[in-house]
Amino acid sequence: AQSVTQLGSHVSVSEGALVLLRCNYSSSVPPYLFWYVQYPNQGLQLLLKYTSAATLVKGINGFEAEFKKSETSFHLTKPSAHMSDAAEYFCAVTPSSSNTGKLIFGQGTTLQVKP
Amino acid sequence: EPEVTQTPSHQVTQMGQEVILRCVPISNHLYFYWYRQILGQKVEFLVSFYNNEISEKSEIFDDQFSVERPDGSNFTLKIRSTKLEDSAMYFCASRDRGGNTEAFFGQGTRLTVV
Repeated sequence: AQSVTQLGSHVSVSEGALVLLRCNYSSSVPPYLFWYVQYPNQGLQLLLKYTSAATLVKGINGFEAEFKKSETSFHLTKPSAHMSDAAEYFCAVTPSSSNTGKLIFGQGTTLQVKP
Repeated sequence: EPEVTQTPSHQVTQMGQEVILRCVPISNHLYFYWYRQILGQKVEFLVSFYNNEISEKSEIFDDQFSVERPDGSNFTLKIRSTKLEDSAMYFCASRDRGGNTEAFFGQGTRLTVV
């Protein structure tokens, strides 16, 4: 069955430092790939999605992710962290064979940004 | 901007009681979902709903669970006889079509079973 692994349940960076959140999927056929963010007491908001048009995907708030088929990865990055980036980040996939569009989520990574 | 609305934001219920969680998806969307997140765990898929019927359900979604779209706007999740382990945040989501389109999520309902 399709699965998603996010390495590191907690990541702490200093303000202005590079953010790198890791995501790997388990599938020989690339699924549809998404990153969602959850701010405290809020729902899940889409950051970006992989559409197969380009391997480097730009999202909101300065985030981007690179799809690497050879590594089955879709890591999320941001060059310079801001205090407002502190949140929980979820990598999610929809199997390309899915008729229902369900999302399979990773465990989530809590990003802490230190001043 | 259109949004998915869930009510209530927090529900406390006694074990064995029935609960109904309510959602109003975005009006032109066709696919509807329920997910749950037990505290400290990942978000898990429960059920998808399309064309007025369940299109897929997970192992979690047993006979104690049911979904309904009673009036063309609301989308409800009913748990017939709640258990302590049903305590979780429940998220409703909708999308306008399948494939890699964005799913829009509600704020969630925190269900606490005591």
